[in-house]
Amino acid sequence: GDSVTQMEGPVTLSEEAFLTINCTYTATGYPSLFWYVQYPGEGLQLLLKATKADDKGSNKGFEATYRKETTSFHLEKGSVQVSDSAVYFCALSDLTTGNQFYFGTGTSLTVIP
Amino acid sequence: NAGVTQTPKFQVLKTGQSMTLQCAQDMNHEYMSWYRQDPGMGLRLIHYSVGAGITDQGEVPNGYNVSRSTTEDFPLRLLSAAPSQTSVYFCASSYSYRGGSEQYFGPGTRLTVT
Repeated sequence: GDSVTQMEGPVTLSEEAFLTINCTYTATGYPSLFWYVQYPGEGLQLLLKATKADDKGSNKGFEATYRKETTSFHLEKGSVQVSDSAVYFCALSDLTTGNQFYFGTGTSLTVIP
Repeated sequence: NAGVTQTPKFQVLKTGQSMTLQCAQDMNHEYMSWYRQDPGMGLRLIHYSVGAGITDQGEVPNGYNVSRSTTEDFPLRLLSAAPSQTSVYFCASSYSYRGGSEQYFGPGTRLTVT
């Protein structure tokens, strides 16, 4: 079945450091891939998405490229800020099993000044 | 638009009590779903609906019921609360259940069962 695996946390970085959060997926059909962010005490918000292979999603300085050959969708940011401290979730929805979204377990990021 | 709204924000129940978590969206989305979030386990799908009158089970449906009588509302019922149902519950909606449509999440309900 479909699934998402993302790197374990928590991750602690200094301000302006480079961020990578790894995400790999398993899907039977044609998945769309998403990154969501959850700030403390809030629901999840869409950060970026990509709907087909080689697409790059980007938002607020974050980027992720849909790599079909490596079944990956790693999240990157060149210079993190304290305000980026949150939990990040990788997710997929698959056209062939389109009724469900699959989420990773989440990666907690703390950015220290 | 208010987006996805959930009530209550917090709830404490005793074992065996029943209650309904409310969820509403004003975006005319066809797809709605309920998740629970537990530490270290990410989000797990409880039930979902692809339109009014249509519901189906997700990964962890036991102990929960849903109905979808209107496009806007998707309440989640706990029939007889158990401590294992202590969790944060999120409702989400999407324009379409077909791949590529993002989900919009409500702010969550934090439930404690004693």
